[in-house]
Amino acid sequence: EIVLTQSPATVSLSPGERATLSCRASQTVSTFLAWYQQKPGQAPRLLIYDASNRATGIPARFSGSGSGTDFTLTISSLEPEDFAVYYCLQRSNWYTFGQGTKLEIK
Amino acid sequence: QVQLVQSGAEVKKPGASVKVSCKASGYTFTGYYIHWVRQAPGQGLEWMGRINSNSGGTNYAQKFQGRVTMTRDTSVTTAYMELSRLTADDTAVYYCARDVHFDWWGRGTLVTVSS
Repeated sequence: EIVLTQSPATVSLSPGERATLSCRASQTVSTFLAWYQQKPGQAPRLLIYDASNRATGIPARFSGSGSGTDFTLTISSLEPEDFAVYYCLQRSNWYTFGQGTKLEIK
Repeated sequence: QVQLVQSGAEVKKPGASVKVSCKASGYTFTGYYIHWVRQAPGQGLEWMGRINSNSGGTNYAQKFQGRVTMTRDTSVTTAYMELSRLTADDTAVYYCARDVHFDWWGRGTLVTVSS
């Protein structure tokens, strides 16, 4: 089973700041990695698929990069609605999620 | 637009089974897989398995093999997930999601297992 490790577990930032979230795979997943945002009481929402492709309707401030085992989700300038939990998901070898990164307001 | 509408919350006793439904609309049902993902209270997301909505073929996460059954009824564009031999550890919100990218999700179904 491919294990995804997200870091940090929690990050505290202010609106307007840049957020950089990391997801590391225990073995290569090529670019078969997606990112999701989840707010309390809501289902996850797809942000990025195949490492760097923004999903429909996702603002340009969200970007994804990486390949192989190391991936990054960047939010260029945080808006108040961006504070949430973020998960990565690999689909290279079945499916596994990372444990999540909580992005909280500083 | 695409919608995945899930059945309502359930309360079950240990040892029982639960069947959750996921009704799809707004797209060609047989053209996409449906995945099932669960989330225990305060915890992360866990993939349970998927069903090919066209063929009915299934793939289950090893953890749930022998205890989960995923089916679909194309006549009503609905996918189902049945989990048997429930324990308290199965208390969670169960989500259905569409396709390889999990691009659309249902709102989730809370299953509570309690004696």
